[in-house]
Amino acid sequence: AQTVTQSQPEMSVQEAETVTLSCTYDTSENNYYLFWYKQPPSRQMILVIRQEAYKQQNATENRFSVNFQKAAKSFSLKISDSQLGDTAMYFCAFMKSYDYKLSFGAGTTVTVRA
Amino acid sequence: NAGVTQTPKFRVLKTGQSMTLLCAQDMNHEYMYWYRQDPGMGLRLIHYSVGEGTTAKGEVPDGYNVSRLKKQNFLLGLESAAPSQTSVYFCASTDRSAGATYEQYFGPGTRLTVT
Repeated sequence: AQTVTQSQPEMSVQEAETVTLSCTYDTSENNYYLFWYKQPPSRQMILVIRQEAYKQQNATENRFSVNFQKAAKSFSLKISDSQLGDTAMYFCAFMKSYDYKLSFGAGTTVTVRA
Repeated sequence: NAGVTQTPKFRVLKTGQSMTLLCAQDMNHEYMYWYRQDPGMGLRLIHYSVGEGTTAKGEVPDGYNVSRLKKQNFLLGLESAAPSQTSVYFCASTDRSAGATYEQYFGPGTRLTVT
């Protein structure tokens, strides 16, 4: 399995502020996909955002955006205007192109404070 | 459209007992997966299937067996449960057709405790 590292076990942010989660990965592949999944207290895994490695433009989904640095093998997630509903564990995941198998990081618990 | 469902949601087993977890999806997806989630370790792939009648080992397959007799169902079996198999188990599926996004859709999870 590919190695995916999330170095921040926990983060706390004030409501309406911005928080950035880090993710690095180790691969020799050139074509791959990266994902951020959210797992709220309900335990349901929800896709937040995905990035194709061949695209230089960083993906954005409403208040969520990524900073994809292919050479550095870095894939950080920025949550802007944090809301209480963003409180969850966030997982970074990697998939080789046409492999269809995900490798997950250990996760970062994000707590949004009112 | 129920998506991915898992049965049961909770289960307590004694060491040595057996059980089967059922996963069902109604999205006509080809690929299905079983993961386990343990604290501090993220999700790890146990077994997966690329189509009806096929199965393959993932990262942590020991102590588990799987079957995919129907396209919509993927079963995970524990023949002789051990305390190390205490975990939360997730099933997922994905579409491999042209234009697919590679997103995996997850079930709600099964919390299994082995005493």
